Amino acid sequence: TQLLEQSPQFLSIQEGENLTVYCNSSSVFSSLQWYRQEPGEGPVLLVTVVTGGEVKKLKRLTFQFGDARKDSSLHITAAQPGDTGLYLCAGLGGSQGNLIFGKGTKLSVKP
Amino acid sequence: NAGVTQTPKFQVLKTGQSMTLQCAQDMNHEYMSWYRQDPGMGLRLIHYSVGAGITDQGEVPNGYNVSRSTTEDFPLRLLSAAPSQTSVYFCASSLIVNSNYGYTFGSGTRLTVV
Repeated sequence: TQLLEQSPQFLSIQEGENLTVYCNSSSVFSSLQWYRQEPGEGPVLLVTVVTGGEVKKLKRLTFQFGDARKDSSLHITAAQPGDTGLYLCAGLGGSQGNLIFGKGTKLSVKP
Repeated sequence: NAGVTQTPKFQVLKTGQSMTLQCAQDMNHEYMSWYRQDPGMGLRLIHYSVGAGITDQGEVPNGYNVSRSTTEDFPLRLLSAAPSQTSVYFCASSLIVNSNYGYTFGSGTRLTVV
């Protein structure tokens, strides 16, 4: 069974601070996706990383895929209250190529 | 362009009752799936479909049925509701299975079984 472990589970920081969220597995994934979910809504795709070592930037968010395609990280620079939410990593795997989700990191950014 | 539409938004059922959660997408996506989200458990796959007439089980299929008679619709049926099925249910779709384009999620159905 392919598993994705996210850390930390909870993160509470002040506006302006930097943070990193980690997504680790013992399995290789063909790609990893990051989603953000707000209360009462479904997850929304932020980015997909496909190539080992790939780095993608989305404004203040930087996503990296590990060289061995087993792990990924999300770094937020100068966090803002609008970044508050549940961040989910997900990997394409399984026998049918379904999306397997980590349990998420709940981020709270206080003004 | 509505994306993925789920109904109802909220539902309370009594133990033993049955009901159908509706999911419709207007993006001509081949792949559709149902997940449940529980505190501390993350999103777990219930059933999925790679096209009309084709369905398969995910990680937690017991107590649920699905069918896919059209590309657009993928309803989830609870046969005899149990308190353990209290959860938030999400329908998601993607252009194709194994897609790097990501999933589009509905806004969820919060189900309480008493």
